[in-house]
Amino acid sequence: DAGVIQSPRHEVTEMGQEVTLRCKPISGHDYLFWYRQTMMRGLELLIYFNNNVPIDDSGMPEDRFSAKMPNASFSTLKIQPSEPRDSAVYFCASSLATGFDEQYFGPGTRLTVT
Amino acid sequence: TQLLEQSPQFLSIQEGENLTVYCNSSSVFSSLQWYRQEPGEGPVLLVTVVTGGEVKKLKRLTFQFGDARKDSSLHITAAQTGDTGLYLCAGAGTYGQNFVFGPGTRLSVLP
Repeated sequence: DAGVIQSPRHEVTEMGQEVTLRCKPISGHDYLFWYRQTMMRGLELLIYFNNNVPIDDSGMPEDRFSAKMPNASFSTLKIQPSEPRDSAVYFCASSLATGFDEQYFGPGTRLTVT
Repeated sequence: TQLLEQSPQFLSIQEGENLTVYCNSSSVFSSLQWYRQEPGEGPVLLVTVVTGGEVKKLKRLTFQFGDARKDSSLHITAAQTGDTGLYLCAGAGTYGQNFVFGPGTRLSVLP
């Protein structure tokens, strides 16, 4: 299996621009998670889906962030408008019906907002 | 809100030495996981422990879950340079809610 695929791997954008991060989970996995990692705050869970349905979005920092999962093989995390404090590495992870217990992470997208 | 603390924050040792890193909380966790993350990559799951007092071994790595399911430790025997990385513990509450990662222990094994 190819593992979790994320694109782009690096994104540099200017403040105020819209940013869309993409994720393809491992085929057959029921859960999909979006995380953000910074030096200051570590690895934070933003939102997760079960069978394409958002279950908990309490980690989404504010209304500028939105996530969708239109089908079992694709999810997006959108930031609009972006701000410099959004600079971080964003990870997508997926798991089988075990939920949190066995997550497989993608390589991450390094976002820089100038 | 459940929080996980990890210690030490940084650890630098010589190849061949033994080490233990810790993960602690004031809350009970239904399960706890350990991940290792290398620079530029996502975390990779090492082990999941679910039963209080459980001990799991993975080659030179020994993982223990505390009896009260509030803490865990990772012991590495005869560390190798390939063990270098960020070690993260993570867990969820009794009913699988409030999943959190600890801040991590950054391990450097020198040749």
